[in-house]
Amino acid sequence: NAGVTQTPKFRVLKTGQSMTLLCAQDMNHEYMYWYRQDPGMGLRLIHYSVGEGTTAKGEVPDGYNVSRLKKQNFLLGLESAAPSQTSVYFCASKPPSGSSYNEQFFGPGTRLTVL
Amino acid sequence: RKEVEQDPGPFNVPEGATVAFNCTYSNSASQSFFWYRQDCRKEPKLLMSVYSSGNEDGRFTAQLNRASQYISLLIRDSKLSDSATYLCVVNPNSGGYQKVTFGTGTKLQVIP
Repeated sequence: NAGVTQTPKFRVLKTGQSMTLLCAQDMNHEYMYWYRQDPGMGLRLIHYSVGEGTTAKGEVPDGYNVSRLKKQNFLLGLESAAPSQTSVYFCASKPPSGSSYNEQFFGPGTRLTVL
Repeated sequence: RKEVEQDPGPFNVPEGATVAFNCTYSNSASQSFFWYRQDCRKEPKLLMSVYSSGNEDGRFTAQLNRASQYISLLIRDSKLSDSATYLCVVNPNSGGYQKVTFGTGTKLQVIP
């Protein structure tokens, strides 16, 4: 049981380049989330999904797109990277019910630098 | 006012000390409260949920004060391994997708 995994772990982009961050979970969780974490700002929600085929905007969605074609995967895309998107990106998942329904399980993070 | 506010610290305490963190929240309708722990350059992990009656897990005690809109975390007999950032997390909804709000975290450094 790998839990939540993220690919890649590190990436350096030039301004204007595009990339996709992949999040995968093997816990059969319905809810999935993408956050960014910046010094002094805490974790901020970018987009989230309540199930396969559905996505919604979070607190800071501009400049990002997401897709949830399969229940176990949640992709975060940057179409044209900007230096302001330099951050640590965390994916999380959560079951809708059950004994751990309040707990979000996080992946190890992706450290992205945009030059 | 931020939805969730924490003292960023750092709190530098000697081993064996007792330390307490507070966290205030602005939405009086908030339903669920949690403390997460985040080690340096690692992902956050749930430490404990916070219940209205207060709850204890070993050396850790969490309390909720709805009237004053704050939650607290007390760590007794601090260990070096307790050094981390502690995140206050508030869920303003009673159901649905369970979107939560994270505080910016309080950094704890336990000194030998």
